[in-house]
Amino acid sequence: KAGVTQTPRYLIKTRGQQVTLSCSPISGHRSVSWYQQTPGQGLQFLFEYFSETQRNKGNFPGRFSGRQFSNSRSEMNVSTLELGDSALYLCASSLAPGQGYEQYFGPGTRLTVT
Amino acid sequence: GENVEQHPSTLSVQEGDSAVIKCTYSDSASNYFPWYKQELGKGPQLIIDIRSNVGEKKDQRIAVTLNKTAKHFSLHITETQPEDSAVYFCAASVASGGSYIPTFGRGTSLIVHP
Repeated sequence: KAGVTQTPRYLIKTRGQQVTLSCSPISGHRSVSWYQQTPGQGLQFLFEYFSETQRNKGNFPGRFSGRQFSNSRSEMNVSTLELGDSALYLCASSLAPGQGYEQYFGPGTRLTVT
Repeated sequence: GENVEQHPSTLSVQEGDSAVIKCTYSDSASNYFPWYKQELGKGPQLIIDIRSNVGEKKDQRIAVTLNKTAKHFSLHITETQPEDSAVYFCAASVASGGSYIPTFGRGTSLIVHP
């Protein structure tokens, strides 16, 4: 069974631009969560999607948004990029939301903002 | 909100020794405590978890203990091997609308010397 895939793996953008990252969950998984990982702030929860609905959102500005499609694939978008948005963005999928379902992480997308 | 402290930030051991990583949390409502292992270039991988109604859980060379009163939990790895070298993250989770919203510790870089 294929794991969680994230595209692209690496991305370089300029301050002020916007970016869209993609996540394909494990087949059969319907819940997708996004995390930001930086040396300064560590791993932080961004948002969680299930059945095309955002169920929870972390403490991030409105420039960070996401969506989930009917096939459970998810995208996250960051508008008006800032230097501080440089990070590893991780996607994780699970069968369903909740603590009873193990999250499987993808390898991440490394975003560099210059 | 929840705050998770993790120590030490770096742990260097000889192959065959034991390694212990400790975490404390602030929110007494947290009831799920997973541990993740992250290898270079990969996303975190769940290695063991514990729920608040359990004091200890073991899986081969890995064990986790939880002290709810003191609000701390620990990861124990026995008979360490070079392949155990990685960054380990603890997390504390409060149930939110049936979802899993973890707050992570800052990570421990474990180095196992052959």
